[in-house]
Amino acid sequence: GENVEQHPSTLSVQEGDSAVIKCTYSDSASNYFPWYKQELGKGPQLIIDIRSNVGEKKDQRIAVTLNKTAKHFSLHITETQPEDSAVYFCAASTASYDKVIFGPGTSLSVIP
Amino acid sequence: NAGVTQTPKFRILKIGQSMTLQCTQDMNHNYMYWYRQDPGMGLKLIYYSVGAGITDKGEVPNGYNVSRSTTEDFPLRLELAAPSQTSVYFCASSWTGGHGKPQHFGDGTRLSIL
Repeated sequence: GENVEQHPSTLSVQEGDSAVIKCTYSDSASNYFPWYKQELGKGPQLIIDIRSNVGEKKDQRIAVTLNKTAKHFSLHITETQPEDSAVYFCAASTASYDKVIFGPGTSLSVIP
Repeated sequence: NAGVTQTPKFRILKIGQSMTLQCTQDMNHNYMYWYRQDPGMGLKLIYYSVGAGITDKGEVPNGYNVSRSTTEDFPLRLELAAPSQTSVYFCASSWTGGHGKPQHFGDGTRLSIL
């Protein structure tokens, strides 16, 4: 079955710097890659997603890139702000799955 | 819209007790999921449902049961609670099987078994 790895597990950056979180997946049939942000005491919330027919997608300060050949995808946050501090989860799924497989998460701290 | 609503938010159980975690969604989603999240860990799928009357096991189903009698509700039952079931439980829903649409999560039920 699908396995998703995520690095780093913790990340601290200065306010205004960029943050990058990387994920790898094992199933070459995976074709949908969402990213979720989980704030303290809340459930995960989708922030951006990308499908396998797209190499990059951007939404304001957030961008996601996908390398299907290497089975890598990454989240890029530019001009980080304290409110970006949260746990971020990557995930992967395929059309043949009824489920989404989540990575273990990255705890991002943005230091003012 | 309320989205996905989970009750209760917090609960403490004694070993061997049973309880039902409630989950309801008002988005008319077909797919619903139950996850558990242990400290510092990711989300592990317990059970999921692709529609009313249909349920299936996820990665960690032992010690849990589910039912799906309506589109809106997907309760999770713990029988004979054990300390290993101390966790935060999240319910989620989506339009399709997650492979093309995002999941919408509730805010969780924090459960302690003592």
